[in-house]
Parts: sequence; structure tokens; C-alpha cells
Amino acid sequence: AQSVSQHNHHVILSEAASLELGCNYSYGGTVNLFWYVQYPGQHLQLLLKYFSGDPLVKGIKGFEAEFIKSKFSFNLRKPSVQWSDTAEYFCAVNALGDYKLSFGAGTTVTVRA
Amino acid sequence: DVKVTQSSRYLVKRTGEKVFLECVQDMDHENMFWYRQDPGLGLRLIYFSYDVKMKEKGDIPEGYSVSREKKERFSLILESASTNQTSMYLCASSSLTVLVGYEQYFGPGTRLTVT
Repeated sequence: AQSVSQHNHHVILSEAASLELGCNYSYGGTVNLFWYVQYPGQHLQLLLKYFSGDPLVKGIKGFEAEFIKSKFSFNLRKPSVQWSDTAEYFCAVNALGDYKLSFGAGTTVTVRA
Repeated sequence: DVKVTQSSRYLVKRTGEKVFLECVQDMDHENMFWYRQDPGLGLRLIYFSYDVKMKEKGDIPEGYSVSREKKERFSLILESASTNQTSMYLCASSSLTVLVGYEQYFGPGTRLTVT
């Protein structure tokens, strides 16, 4: 089974600051990678995903993530955060052909207005 | 839009009670999942099902069982609720289409408190 590590438990930022959340996984084979977001009081929703091709993927709300295979990483970035980006962010991985996702512990992001 | 609904948003039960959490999806997905979400632990898989009447244990199945009698419905059962089962329970579904990497769609969650 894969394991997923998210480096930061809680990140506090001011509006317009840049955001980068780290995600590393442990699995040597081909993987699919996901970032999910959970806004306060809302259900978990997909932010972006990587299956193959260009390792830089763009998602909703100005987020992007870069897959670096040699580092087993899939870090999430946003150049300029807004107050509405306050949420919990989860990185998830599955091995190619596996139905199940392995999730990281999550990172809570608080953006101060 | 995929819609995954869960029977309750909040539930309070007493220790020892039998608890049923229900989940329904409307996208004809083959796979359905039950997770629990706890602070600092992320999402942990309890059980999943890849077809009607089929189920497999996830990472933390102890104290839980599941039922899938219809494709669109997946139930999580706590046979005898205990206080350490107080948690947020999330249901998810995904199709079998490998082209979408088995992307999962989540319901709103049920916050269960066992007293």
C-alpha cells in the first residue's frame, strides 16, 4: 500500500501571499495523484489531478501542482491566496489500476484577510 | 454532476446502540467507499465495495460492517457503537473507468457522536 506524507499540519497566511503545500508518497510504480479540498462546512471536492503527460497540472481556483517523479512529490501551489482559500487540503494517491486512494493527514490553511 | 448523499449530517447515539449510516450515489458508479475522518489522521478507509453484494475491508474495519444490496446504495453499520467511533464519516463513489484514475466523489459527511 502507498503512504502519503503532507509536510505541514497548519499553515497561516495573509491574503495575496503565495502558498505551497508539500506532498510526498511512497510507491515505486505508476501512480495517479490528486489534491482534494474541504472548505468549512462543505464536502470534499477535487482540486486537481495528475494521471500522465505534462507534470504541471492546473486545477480550479488558480491552483496548480507539479509532479516530480524522482522526488515522489506532488506539491500544490497558488501564487496569490484569497481569504476564501481557507480550507483543509488533502493529497491522495492510488497505484495504477487500484480503486483505493491513500490520503495524507491533511493541511489546514488559514488565510487572514 | 455526480451527487453523493448521506442520510444524516449529524447523529448522536448512545454507547451500545446499533447505528446505520446510509449513502446513495446517482452516477451508476461501481465502486463505493466508507471513510472516517479524524483531525491529524486524514481519511482512513473502513470498507469499500466494487459491486453489489461485494465488499472488501479497508485499513480500519474493526467494529464496522457494510451492506450493498443495490448498486446506488452503500450502508455502514456500527453493530455496537462505542465512544471511540465518534468521528466524521464520509462516503465516496467512483467509476471503474481507468481513464479517470478512479477519481472519487464525496458526500457531505455524517458527524457521529457516541455518548
